[in-house]
Amino acid sequence: SYVLTQPPSVSVAPGQTASITCGGNNIGSKSVHWYQQKPGQAPVLVVYDDSDRPSGIPARFSGSNSGNTATLTISRVEAGDEADYYCQLWDSGSHPYVVFGGGTKLTVL
Amino acid sequence: HVQLQESGPGLVKASQTLSLTCTVSGGSISSAGYYWSWIRQHPGEGLEWIGHIYYSGSTYYNPSLESRLTISVDTSKNQFSLKVSSVTAADTAVYYCARRARGYYVDYWGQGTLVTVSS
Repeated sequence: SYVLTQPPSVSVAPGQTASITCGGNNIGSKSVHWYQQKPGQAPVLVVYDDSDRPSGIPARFSGSNSGNTATLTISRVEAGDEADYYCQLWDSGSHPYVVFGGGTKLTVL
Repeated sequence: HVQLQESGPGLVKASQTLSLTCTVSGGSISSAGYYWSWIRQHPGEGLEWIGHIYYSGSTYYNPSLESRLTISVDTSKNQFSLKVSSVTAADTAVYYCARRARGYYVDYWGQGTLVTVSS
């Protein structure tokens, strides 16, 4: 089965840039999606298809994907960005299914 | 604007069957290209995809859960349902219903419902 690896935690000061990685075997050949989840709430899609943003998501959120690593970048981090972030893709192998990364806790210092 | 709402018992006894229903509003469950999903989150842990269904009844299941799962759809009620048999404490989680868009990402989520398995 396909495995997505995320760092458990990332810390950043307000106004700085946060980068959250998602590692997987040749992940650059797949479309990666990112979700933000705040405590007690359902996840919210923040980036889809590697680098596209749904309507209503600030341009501070961006994504990239190449080789074995996909990255969610949050520029000019705000206190309200503190949340768990999950990457996700569709593994279209012999038994297709949805794969989530383990999640990264973003702490705004 | 699509909305999803989970409903069902919040407490299930071990060895019994967990049953949840998701009611979709603001859009048709028969819309082409969308799959209707169940995702769960164990307390304090990450997201786990359970499975999803197309309005035609075609299903995809998480291989690790497949033997205990049934996902069904009722297009007349704009609902889809989840059954997990032979539950244990390991099935205690917040269960989300969601819509999987054409690009294989989830664009709408329900608010989630906590299901606790008791011994």
